[in-house]
Amino acid sequence: QAVLTQPPSVSAAPGQKVTISCSGSSSNIGNNYVSWYEQVPGTAPKLLIYENNKRPSGIPDRFSGSKSGTSATLGITGLQTGDEADYYCGTWDNSLSGFVFGTGTRVTVL
Amino acid sequence: EVQLVESGGGLVKPGESLRLSCAASGFNFRDAYMTWVRQAPGKGLEWIGRIKRNSDGGAADYAAPVKGRLSISRDDSKNTLFLQMDNLRTEDTAVYFCAWYFYNHLAVWGQGTTVIVSS
Repeated sequence: QAVLTQPPSVSAAPGQKVTISCSGSSSNIGNNYVSWYEQVPGTAPKLLIYENNKRPSGIPDRFSGSKSGTSATLGITGLQTGDEADYYCGTWDNSLSGFVFGTGTRVTVL
Repeated sequence: EVQLVESGGGLVKPGESLRLSCAASGFNFRDAYMTWVRQAPGKGLEWIGRIKRNSDGGAADYAAPVKGRLSISRDDSKNTLFLQMDNLRTEDTAVYFCAWYFYNHLAVWGQGTTVIVSS
């Protein structure tokens, strides 16, 4: 049972922008770094953003992350058909003493 | 190239045991914290647990739903991570991923191995 809440789905036309929210609490997002993962159905997840807003090598700057209080946001600009995937936020939870994931958001390019 | 390759999945009956392996290459496995994540069919990602590097004590932390039935271990001489699963239940049916837990995020993931628990 995920403790981080994300919208089930978001969609936009090619070239447009989408944002995905990730809501948590002081025991997780509020006091820890947030990371984001992209998962194309049938494949393994891939790290997209770490430490709230940093991109690993090879991740285009169309992807951005931010955090404020107990919430985090992933932004994708210049949407492409290849961005159709499930996106998960994740962070450490101090109360659970474990890593927690968001509920996941399906991005659809119209 | 950093790579993680899981193996050992399969079809088992409820109550049986299974051990998954994760072979690591391309990074200093001995210094790495490692983790297991699973994904039930049509569901989201679920963190199973994490094992520290031996220089930090080598202890493992587990998610509450699996504590006592699943255990994580490592063999640094073989750059291999393990997940021992005992008394398997139908709800353990999932794809199991290993991942390199780098400070505060899961930096690299394996391709996953499928476990099906069914009578």
